[in-house]
Amino acid sequence: QVQLVQSGAEVKKPGASVKLSCKASGYTFTSYAMHWLRQAPGQSLEWMGWINPGNGDTKYSQSFQGRVTITSDTSASTAYMELNSLRSEDAAVYYCAKDEGVLPYYYNYMAVWGKGTTVTVSS
Amino acid sequence: DIQMTQSPSSLSASVGDRVTVTCRASQTIGNYLNWYQQKPGKAPTLLIYATSYLQSGVPSRFSGSGYGTEFTLTISSLQPEDFATYYCQQSYSTLRTTFGGGTRVGVK
Repeated sequence: QVQLVQSGAEVKKPGASVKLSCKASGYTFTSYAMHWLRQAPGQSLEWMGWINPGNGDTKYSQSFQGRVTITSDTSASTAYMELNSLRSEDAAVYYCAKDEGVLPYYYNYMAVWGKGTTVTVSS
Repeated sequence: DIQMTQSPSSLSASVGDRVTVTCRASQTIGNYLNWYQQKPGKAPTLLIYATSYLQSGVPSRFSGSGYGTEFTLTISSLQPEDFATYYCQQSYSTLRTTFGGGTRVGVK
């Protein structure tokens, strides 16, 4: 079955960087865009960006421009999200989610999500 | 950015009730509107895409309607497993998809 398995919880100090992973299985990794989103405690969902694993193209939310980098390793069917210069407001659960459109088309909605990775930012 | 506003932010209902959640977009988004359900500690699950298309496996008591700037999610007969938070999402903008603030459906 289609599955996204995310890396484990992280605890980081302010100013540090964090790199999360999302391993896909059950489908052709290079055929679907992968999104990254986050959800701060008690808050709604916030889209961060996506990657086309087929060609490495990325698109980022302006809210994170310059601080976030999304990459992929097609040999490992894994997507990564790195967030730099962490601040307390970055404490959240981070999700990867598979787009429903077949590349080069993307639909910007997601039926398959990882379970999420909790990132704690504390000095 | 396109702002998505949900109402109410929370509601209390009983099993068997008909429940309606509204989502408004700050500009027209056609039918590019999706609904998700989220239970505590879990990832969201897709219920409805493109305003009214039921995702595979979603019970038919869920339905969606609307166009342009006003959309609704209806649960025709609330079941115990439907107590959750519901989010709308616009997928019209290719720059940035955005979500509503959520509607928590709780037990009356």
